[in-house]
Amino acid sequence: SQQGEEDPQALSIQEGENATMNCSYKTSINNLQWYRQNSGRGLVHLILIRSNEREKHSGRLRVTLDTSKKSSSLLITASRAADTASYFCATDSTDKLIFGTGTRLQVFP
Amino acid sequence: GAVVSQHPSRVICKSGTSVKIECRSLDFQATTMFWYRQFPKQSLMLMATSNEGSKATYEQGVEKDKFLINHASLTLSTLTVTSAHPEDSSFYICSASRTGGWNTIYFGEGSWLTVV
Repeated sequence: SQQGEEDPQALSIQEGENATMNCSYKTSINNLQWYRQNSGRGLVHLILIRSNEREKHSGRLRVTLDTSKKSSSLLITASRAADTASYFCATDSTDKLIFGTGTRLQVFP
Repeated sequence: GAVVSQHPSRVICKSGTSVKIECRSLDFQATTMFWYRQFPKQSLMLMATSNEGSKATYEQGVEKDKFLINHASLTLSTLTVTSAHPEDSSFYICSASRTGGWNTIYFGEGSWLTVV
C-alpha cells in the first residue's frame, strides 16, 4: 500500500497545550498537505508544503518536512477544544493524493 | 471560494439495489475528480480517478463493475454503487482538481451510504 503512516493514532491533551502529529510516507513526493476532518464531515485543507521547503507556518500551525527521512510533522500550538478532529497528511507524487492513516486529536477544555 | 458539492449527503438503500452519488464543482471546471471511501475511524482510501471524457482509472482492489464512475462534463462526476451490499456501507468523498492547477484540490462534504 502507498498509504502513509501517522502517529500517534490518537492524542488527548488539555486546552493550551501543544499537539504534535507525525507522518511518514513511502515514495518521493512533489508536495505534502495536511487536512483536518471533523467527525463525519468533509476535509478542510490546512497547509501545503512543497518538497523543497523544510518548514512552513500558518497561524497556530507549524509544519516541517524532511524528505531525506520521508517524514513530516504538524504542530498545533496553544490548542483549543475546537481543534478536536482527525488530522491527515496527504502526499502527491504522481497524479493522485494519497492519505495517511490519520491522528485523532481530542482537546479537553 | 471554490465549492464542491456532493449529493445526497446521506442515503439508505436496500441490498441488491444501486445508488448514485453526484459530485459537482460549482464554480470551476474540474478535468479530474477523485473518489475516496472512508470507513469509520479510518483514513480515506482512493478508489478511482475520474477524468472528463474518458474512462476512470481504478485503484488496485476496487471493482470497476461494482463502482461505476462517469465524468460526462467538466463539472460533474457520478459514482454508482451497483448491487449494493451491507459491506458497501461507508462514507464516500469526492474531490475535484481545478483544471490546470494540480495543487488546488477541493473536497466535497461526503456522502454517507447505508445499505440495509
